[in-house]
Amino acid sequence: QITLRESGPSLVKPTETLTLTCTFSGFSLSTDGLAVGWIRQPPGKALEWLGVIYWDGDERYSPTLRSRLSITKDTPKNQVVLTLTNVVPADTATYFCAHRRVDYGDSHWGQGTLVTVSS
Amino acid sequence: SHELTQPPSVSVSPGQTARISCSGDALSKQYVYWYQQKPGQAPILLIYKDTQRTSGIPDRFSGSSSGTTGTLTITGVQAEDEADYYCQSADTTISYYVFGGGTRVNVL
Repeated sequence: QITLRESGPSLVKPTETLTLTCTFSGFSLSTDGLAVGWIRQPPGKALEWLGVIYWDGDERYSPTLRSRLSITKDTPKNQVVLTLTNVVPADTATYFCAHRRVDYGDSHWGQGTLVTVSS
Repeated sequence: SHELTQPPSVSVSPGQTARISCSGDALSKQYVYWYQQKPGQAPILLIYKDTQRTSGIPDRFSGSSSGTTGTLTITGVQAEDEADYYCQSADTTISYYVFGGGTRVNVL
């Protein structure tokens, strides 16, 4: 059974760095074709795709966030870490991580974690 | 830039058919995926590779794609289908993914 869980701070100040961890079970990120992605959703708004890291270490990012966003993986720990620098209030959102198999979509999602950016 | 356009809302009576469109230039080359999201919940993958239904998803949900438009069809809409629906695809070089703006399905 595949499960994912996001963890991290619920409140971050403007200009600070946000770090979120996705801890998963039921699969290994060393398996060909697998990936973990990050998606966020501001309150009352649409989903926004942020980025993904693949089993082979390849990383892809949203063009609008590429300069501030980094995604890394710790395969033995079954964790993926999102780092977003210089946050602003517009980064306030529920952040989701999701399991992806190439060409098969984001098939399993965490419950999401709400992050508020405010002084 | 890669964008996907969906209608903001679709209203349908129970038992009728709802069709949700998703338009974007990259869809002529890339698969479209469809997700359902109910309030306070994480999204659920309904359709992958344009037409393939995820295991456990009722067969009243179906997907199609032609040219630069993908379509999610709900045949015989039920009250429980009231939700937000999002399409997703990669850009033409699979450098990144985007979601459409979402469609709220209202069951009258």
